[in-house]
Amino acid sequence: EPEVTQTPSHQVTQMGQEVILRCVPISNHLYFYWYRQILGQKVEFLVSFYNNEISEKSEIFDDQFSVERPDGSNFTLKIRSTKLEDSAMYFCASRAPGNTIYFGEGSWLTVV
Amino acid sequence: KNEVEQSPQNLTAQEGEFITINCSYSVGISALHWLQQHPGGGIVSLFMLSSGKKKHGRLIATINIQEKHSSLHITASHPRDSAVYICAVDFGNEKLTFGTGTRLTIIP
Repeated sequence: EPEVTQTPSHQVTQMGQEVILRCVPISNHLYFYWYRQILGQKVEFLVSFYNNEISEKSEIFDDQFSVERPDGSNFTLKIRSTKLEDSAMYFCASRAPGNTIYFGEGSWLTVV
Repeated sequence: KNEVEQSPQNLTAQEGEFITINCSYSVGISALHWLQQHPGGGIVSLFMLSSGKKKHGRLIATINIQEKHSSLHITASHPRDSAVYICAVDFGNEKLTFGTGTRLTIIP
């Protein structure tokens, strides 16, 4: 069974620090996503990425956020200067040609 | 506005019971996904539907496009089915809009 892998599984960071969350999507998938889930709330869309560029982003995805696919395999989410309200589980996902979505196990970010 | 509503929010049942979780949405869709979220937080895709019905083991998912409604059924429920079940909808813009989830607890 193919899988999306995410690192780290858990990160604690000081407010104002930069954080990079990493994802390795499934190799033949073309669409990649980042979603987040604040504790006790529903999952929210952050950004979608296709053909090496952002295809859509939510209003949450402000100038503090960026995504990259630096080497053709890894897909990263960077938060430049973290805020307390960025504490959440961040999920990477990739979409198969038949439209099934595969999610990573998530990266739990705690900003203190 | 693209909205997804799930019910119930919480469901507790005895082992062996037949379980139904409901999802309704506001406008036409490309596809509807049923997802399972484990206690550790990981999300697994169970079904993707655009019409009709799908079955996998003890899980059955149905969708009624005209009524904008989908159901997830679990037959012969087991404690290991305890998880949060999430309905997520693609409204044709290739991203998913999520429901709030249904926390299912199956008691032995």
